[in-house]
Amino acid sequence: GAVVSQHPSWVICKSGTSVKIECRSLDFQATTMFWYRQFPKQSLMLMATSNEGSKATYEQGVEKDKFLINHASLTLSTLTVTSAHPEDSSFYICSASGQGLVTQYFGPGTRLLVL
Amino acid sequence: DAKTTQPTSMDCAEGRAANLPCNHSTISGNEYVYWYRQIHSQGPQYIIHGLKNNETNEMASLIITEDRKSSTLILPHATLRDTAVYYCIVRVVGGSNYKLTFGKGTLLTVNP
Repeated sequence: GAVVSQHPSWVICKSGTSVKIECRSLDFQATTMFWYRQFPKQSLMLMATSNEGSKATYEQGVEKDKFLINHASLTLSTLTVTSAHPEDSSFYICSASGQGLVTQYFGPGTRLLVL
Repeated sequence: DAKTTQPTSMDCAEGRAANLPCNHSTISGNEYVYWYRQIHSQGPQYIIHGLKNNETNEMASLIITEDRKSSTLILPHATLRDTAVYYCIVRVVGGSNYKLTFGKGTLLTVNP
């Protein structure tokens, strides 16, 4: 299957700082990337969808000025959590899809802890 | 996308077949059934998908009823590493960029 990586795998930051998470497709061109968030004991919730070279489409209730998404190339998307607060602590997971693929393939996730 | 219903949890003995059911009674004709699993603290892993015919790959088999209102994921010889939350998702056909909506899934525990 297609391989997707994320970096970092975990990050601890102070409240008020910004954190950037990278999502890369390693062996295919990702025309579309998705960002999810998962709180403990809950299911994945889609935050936004981004197509390469276009602005991301955010799900209802997700603040686009707080969660900045960039998908400037066919192999890289970034999620920046701006002015992070403890309630932003969560497991952030990206997925990617591309031409010829039957579905989305997920990265290993990034655990964010905001102190 | 159609809603799915799965049992909250299931147990299975190591080496035995694990049969995970999923109800999707409101599925439309252009919707596929997808299965993913999520091992603790990892990203979801794609397992298999199908439209109306039974499917098999190296990981599992997918049995879809003739009326397409339910399906069963079969892990033929479960191992301890198959312990995970299994998600049954129904989504429209046509392009991998359609978003996936995750429910609560089934926590499968494989016991030694």
